[in-house]
Amino acid sequence: EDQVTQSPEALRLQEGESSSLNCSYTVSGLRGLFWYRQDPGKGPEFLFTLYSAGEEKEKERLKATLTKKESFLHITAPKPEDSATYLCAVQAPGSSYKLIFGSGTRLLVRP
Amino acid sequence: GAVVSQHPSRVICKSGTSVKIECRSLDFQATTMFWYRQFPKQSLMLMATSNEGSKATYEQGVEKDKFLINHASLTLSTLTVTSAHPEDSSFYICSARTWLQSQETQYFGPGTRLLVL
Repeated sequence: EDQVTQSPEALRLQEGESSSLNCSYTVSGLRGLFWYRQDPGKGPEFLFTLYSAGEEKEKERLKATLTKKESFLHITAPKPEDSATYLCAVQAPGSSYKLIFGSGTRLLVRP
Repeated sequence: GAVVSQHPSRVICKSGTSVKIECRSLDFQATTMFWYRQFPKQSLMLMATSNEGSKATYEQGVEKDKFLINHASLTLSTLTVTSAHPEDSSFYICSARTWLQSQETQYFGPGTRLLVL
């Protein structure tokens, strides 16, 4: 069964304290792995799409990496405005284009 | 980037009434849109896949007669919650599939908060 597991469930950081969020997946043929950011009461905001092991993408203080079993979202020198829930999703094989989401990591960055 | 809008953003209705939620892709065409619901502090749960010009595909356990989906054009999909009950209260979010800068992804709308009294 296709599955996505995110850890930790919640993470508290001091401003400037770098860390990583983990997304482990089991899927029969990865078509793409997606990272989103979601603020309370809002829809998810697209961050990255990764397609193959070894691929990396960066955006401001965020960097996403991908291996054959997991993806990491590295946050360098976070700021309070980076506080949000970060969601990881994988695209199911076949033609349905469905995304399978993990349960998310709630990040709180304290000033 | 791609923009997806939803209307209304918030709706309160009485039990037994029907509610329609619109999802629009504002600056791109989307042959495929998706409808999710999200309960507090939980992740997104896919309800159905909406395909332009054809019937929606519903996930297991989602009642197609209760959650009517119409994808009438390449920029508009609607979700109608028929005979709504308090247990249908939730945050409903749509997404639209597209390609941008050689990346395939789904862009999400801002969500619709439904409260059924």
